[in-house]
Amino acid sequence: QKEVEQDPGPLSVPEGAIVSLNCTYSNSAFQYFMWYRQYSRKGPELLMYTYSSGNKEDGRFTAQVDKSSKYISLFIRDSQPSDSATYLCAMSAYAIKAAGNKLTFGGGTRVLVKP
Amino acid sequence: GAVVSQHPSWVICKSGTSVKIECRSLDFQATTMFWYRQFPKQSLMLMATSNEGSKATYEQGVEKDKFLINHASLTLSTLTVTSAHPEDSSFYICSLAGGSDTQYFGPGTRLTVL
Repeated sequence: QKEVEQDPGPLSVPEGAIVSLNCTYSNSAFQYFMWYRQYSRKGPELLMYTYSSGNKEDGRFTAQVDKSSKYISLFIRDSQPSDSATYLCAMSAYAIKAAGNKLTFGGGTRVLVKP
Repeated sequence: GAVVSQHPSWVICKSGTSVKIECRSLDFQATTMFWYRQFPKQSLMLMATSNEGSKATYEQGVEKDKFLINHASLTLSTLTVTSAHPEDSSFYICSLAGGSDTQYFGPGTRLTVL
C-alpha cells in the first residue's frame, strides 16, 4: 500500500463547476500538506500549503485537512479551462525549512475542465 | 515563492553518452536541492537530496555512480546522467528548500536517449 493514495482520474467537469480533489494517507506523522498543479511537460507549481488540521482559502482554492481521518482535500471553485492540469498532493512530517526534509507525493489526479 | 530554472529544457542524446542538467536558484540561496524523475503519467519520484558543499544522499535503488550530483554553490546544483540508455529517458525536475516552508520546483528537463 502506498503511503499517499490519490485517484488518477481523469476528472472531467464543465466550466464553472466545483472541482473536488482528495488524498488519503497512512503515516500519522505527516503534519505539513501541500497541493501542486502541474501542466503537461512543466514543473509542479505550489497552490496551497497547510499545517496540521483545518481549512485554508486562497482565491478560488480551498484546502482542507482532516488528520483524524488522514484525509486532505482541495476544492476549486468556478473552474476554468485553464485549470485543466494534473494536481498532486504532497506531505511531510516536518517543515520543509528543516534542511533535507523530503516530500511524499500522491500519484496525481488529471483534471479536465470543458468549456 | 522562489524562482528556479533548469537548463536545458529538452535534450536528446545518443546511448552511451553523458548529459548534464543544471538547476539554478535565481533569487534564493538554497542549502538543499532535490532531484526528481517523472515518467509519463506518473508522479514524481525522488532520486536524491543535494546538499551544498557535501555529498548527495541517494534514494534506494538510484545508482549514485550513474546519476552524479554536484551542489557546488548555494544557487547551482547539477545532475549528470552518465552512460545514458533509453530507459533513462524521462522528465527530470529539481526543487529547492531551506529557509522556506515548502519546495519550489524548476520547469523540468526532458531527456530522450536514442
